[in-house]
Amino acid sequence: GENVEQHPSTLSVQEGDSAVIKCTYSDSASNYFPWYKQELGKGPQLIIDIRSNVGEKKDQRIAVTLNKTAKHFSLHITETQPEDSAVYFCAARLIQGAQKLVFGQGTRLTINP
Amino acid sequence: DAGITQSPRHKVTETGTPVTLRCHQTENHRYMYWYRQDPGHGLRLIHYSYGVKDTDKGEVSDGYSVSRSKTEDFLLTLESATSSQTSVYFCAISALELHRGYYNEQFFGPGTRLTVL
Repeated sequence: GENVEQHPSTLSVQEGDSAVIKCTYSDSASNYFPWYKQELGKGPQLIIDIRSNVGEKKDQRIAVTLNKTAKHFSLHITETQPEDSAVYFCAARLIQGAQKLVFGQGTRLTINP
Repeated sequence: DAGITQSPRHKVTETGTPVTLRCHQTENHRYMYWYRQDPGHGLRLIHYSYGVKDTDKGEVSDGYSVSRSKTEDFLLTLESATSSQTSVYFCAISALELHRGYYNEQFFGPGTRLTVL
């Protein structure tokens, strides 16, 4: 089955700097890669996703890149703000995965003022 | 916010007792999921449902059962709770939208914190 590894587990950056979180997946049949943000005491919420036929996608300060050959994808947050502090999860879905996602272990991002 | 509620939100129980967690949605979405969240493990799928009375196992299904008798409700049962099942449990829902090519967002509920003593 699919396996997703996420690094780093914790990340601390200064407000205004950029943050990068990386994930690798094992199954080349995966075709959909969402990123979720989880604030304290809440359920995860989708912030951006990318399909396997696209190499990069941007939404304001957030971008995701995908390298299918290397089987890794990354989340980039620019001009970080205190409200970006949260736990971030990457995930991957197999083409025949019946709408199932496999999640990475999560990254706790802290933005220091 | 997607219309997903989970009950109870917090529960403390003793080893060996049965526990049922409920997920209720008002979105009429086809897919429903139960995950558990533990430090260092992210979110792991326990069971999921792809329609009324249609369920299947996820990666950590041992010790858990589910039922879905109505579109809006998905129940997770721990037949005999163990301390290793202490966790935060999340329900999620997802629609099957052909025009999006099956790339459908999962919406998560607020979670249930379960402690098994």
